Amino acid sequence: DSGVTQTPKHLITATGQRVTLRCSPRSGDLSVYWYQQSLDQGLQFLIQYYNGEERAKGNILERFSAQQFPDLHSELNLSSLELGDSALYFCASSVRGLNYGYTFGSGTRLTVV
Amino acid sequence: GENVEQHPSTLSVQEGDSAVIKCTYSDSASNYFPWYKQELGKGPQLIIDIRSNVGEKKDQRIAVTLNKTAKHFSLHITETQPEDSAVYFCAASKDTDKLIFGTGTRLQVFP
Repeated sequence: DSGVTQTPKHLITATGQRVTLRCSPRSGDLSVYWYQQSLDQGLQFLIQYYNGEERAKGNILERFSAQQFPDLHSELNLSSLELGDSALYFCASSVRGLNYGYTFGSGTRLTVV
Repeated sequence: GENVEQHPSTLSVQEGDSAVIKCTYSDSASNYFPWYKQELGKGPQLIIDIRSNVGEKKDQRIAVTLNKTAKHFSLHITETQPEDSAVYFCAASKDTDKLIFGTGTRLQVFP
C-alpha cells in the first residue's frame, strides 16, 4: 500500500456520461497530481494542485476538471465522455518543496463504451 | 516544451545479464531525475532517483548515471532476475515541479 488511495478501481460508463474519480493523498503530502495513461502509452500529465490551489496544467481537455478540497483529497471530473477517454487515471502525491519523487496510487481504470 | 525521450521501447535480456535504459531530456533547467517501475495492474513505483548535483547513484543492483552536458541519464540493472520484468519510466522535473515522463521501456527477463 503506497498510502495514496484512489477510488473506484474500475469504472465502466457510456459515452456522453460524467464520472468523478477520487484521490486521497499520502498523509502529510500537500501536492496532488493527476496523470492519464492510455493503452501502451506513457504517463500524460493532466493537472497539479497544491494545498487546494491549482499549480500547473498539462494536456487536460476542457471536458475535464479537478479540484482539491480542504482535507487535501482531490477529485477529477470527466464529462461528455468519449471512447478515447478510456484509460488508466493515476493520482500521485508529494511533499512540495522537498524535491521528492511522487508516490502513485494504484489507479482508476475507466472504460467508456 | 519540456520533453523526455526514452529508449529502447522494449528490451529482452537473459536472467543474470545487465539491462540499460537511456533517457534524454530537453529542459536544461531540469534538476531531478527519478525512475519508476510499473508492474501489471499497479501504479508506478519509485525505484531510484538522482539530482543534478550528482553524476551517479547506486542502490544494490540498480544504478543511475547523469550527464548534464549531454542532457541524458541512464538506468542500469545488473544481474537481472525474472521479477525485474516490468515497464520502466524515466522522468525529469525542475524545482519540485511536475514530472515529465518518458514513454516507457518494457523489460522482459527470461529465465
